[in-house]
Amino acid sequence: GAVVSQHPSWVICKSGTSVKIECRSLDFQATTMFWYRQFPKQSLMLMATSNEGSKATYEQGVEKDKFLINHASLTLSTLTVTSAHPEDSSFYICSVGGGGSYNEQFFGPGTRLTVL
Amino acid sequence: DAKTTQPPSMDCAEGRAANLPCNHSTISGNEYVYWYRQIHSQGPQYIIHGLKNNETNEMASLIITEDRKSSTLILPHATLRDTAVYYCIVRTPNQAGTALIFGKGTTLSVSS
Repeated sequence: GAVVSQHPSWVICKSGTSVKIECRSLDFQATTMFWYRQFPKQSLMLMATSNEGSKATYEQGVEKDKFLINHASLTLSTLTVTSAHPEDSSFYICSVGGGGSYNEQFFGPGTRLTVL
Repeated sequence: DAKTTQPPSMDCAEGRAANLPCNHSTISGNEYVYWYRQIHSQGPQYIIHGLKNNETNEMASLIITEDRKSSTLILPHATLRDTAVYYCIVRTPNQAGTALIFGKGTTLSVSS
């Protein structure tokens, strides 16, 4: 299956600053990538669908101006959390769609964001 | 995608088989059953999938009932490293452009 990496694996930032998280598909050209967020003891919640070369599609309740997504190439998507606040502290996970023979999704290792 | 129902938690002794059930009574004919797991503080990991026949790979076995309304994921010899949240998801395979939607899954605790 597809190998997906994320960088950084964890980040701590001050309230009001912006943080960029990178998601790379290492061995598969991903037309579509997905971004999820996971709060403690909860399941993964889909934030947005990122399509290469076009605007991302955001789920209801996710602020597109706060969570900027760029999918400029078939191997890289970035999520920028702008003006981060403590309530944005979460585990952010990206995934690649269609990387397997039956279109299984493959996930990155996640990025732990802590906003002080 | 069809809805799935899983028990919130299960326990298993190390070395024993872990059998994780999933109900998907509204599954349609072209939908597959996929299983993923998430070890604490990691991204989800694909385990196995199936349509109607039983499937086995190096990680697990998947048993699907004849009416396809339920399935069981079997970890034949559970280890401590199998402690994770297991998600059963039903969807059609030609959905590379749509995201997986996760329910609450089953938290499997393997103890020595």
